[in-house]
Amino acid sequence: DADVTQTPRNRITKTGKRIMLECSQTKGHDRMYWYRQDPGLGLRLIYYSFDVKDINKGEISDGYSVSRQAQAKFSLSLESAIPNQTALYFCATSPTLSGLAFNEQFFGPGTRLTVL
Amino acid sequence: ILNVEQSPQSLHVQEGDSTNFTCSFPSSNFYALHWYRWETAKSPEALFVMTLNGDEKKKGRISATLNTKEGYSYLYIKGSQPEDSATYLCALYSGGGADGLTFGKGTHLIIQP
Repeated sequence: DADVTQTPRNRITKTGKRIMLECSQTKGHDRMYWYRQDPGLGLRLIYYSFDVKDINKGEISDGYSVSRQAQAKFSLSLESAIPNQTALYFCATSPTLSGLAFNEQFFGPGTRLTVL
Repeated sequence: ILNVEQSPQSLHVQEGDSTNFTCSFPSSNFYALHWYRWETAKSPEALFVMTLNGDEKKKGRISATLNTKEGYSYLYIKGSQPEDSATYLCALYSGGGADGLTFGKGTHLIIQP
């Protein structure tokens, strides 16, 4: 069973549409992250959350919003999708062990989003 | 924005040969360095998390070293096998109140039988 799941796995949408990508985890981790991957670029951080009610912007948060509905769920929304948001999106989780914040991250399978 | 550089960008290696590649990062921003292995159509998976200067970690035929003073880490693969073909990502955790990782673009390794 997958510990970090993402839905949908693939999505094609049109410019201007609102899109939500969902992430769920059964690992019991408190930290969750959204990254996007573009060809030729490294994974870039969009938003992250340490806990329910804690939301922090990452490197490229413009055009995105997130919601941490529960410890296990972290959703990414594109309010009005545009073509340059076409990318592979990854959700990741990590535990806070011994009070440390830099523990390894566990990635979901990714969502491939195409905005036409 | 932190600059994490990986070289080479891609690498073809004969099966059985050993290889290594580099991750460079700003030493002044160092808190921890992660290495991930990313196979095509799968999710990135953690190999190592390194924090101490001079640290060396090993997992099977794969090992990594860390130099935080000069800002680099090497990943070594001994006796490459076809299943080692993947993209290897390094990522810097810089702390300072900002969470999340800054990733390099990766080294795409292809092992040729």
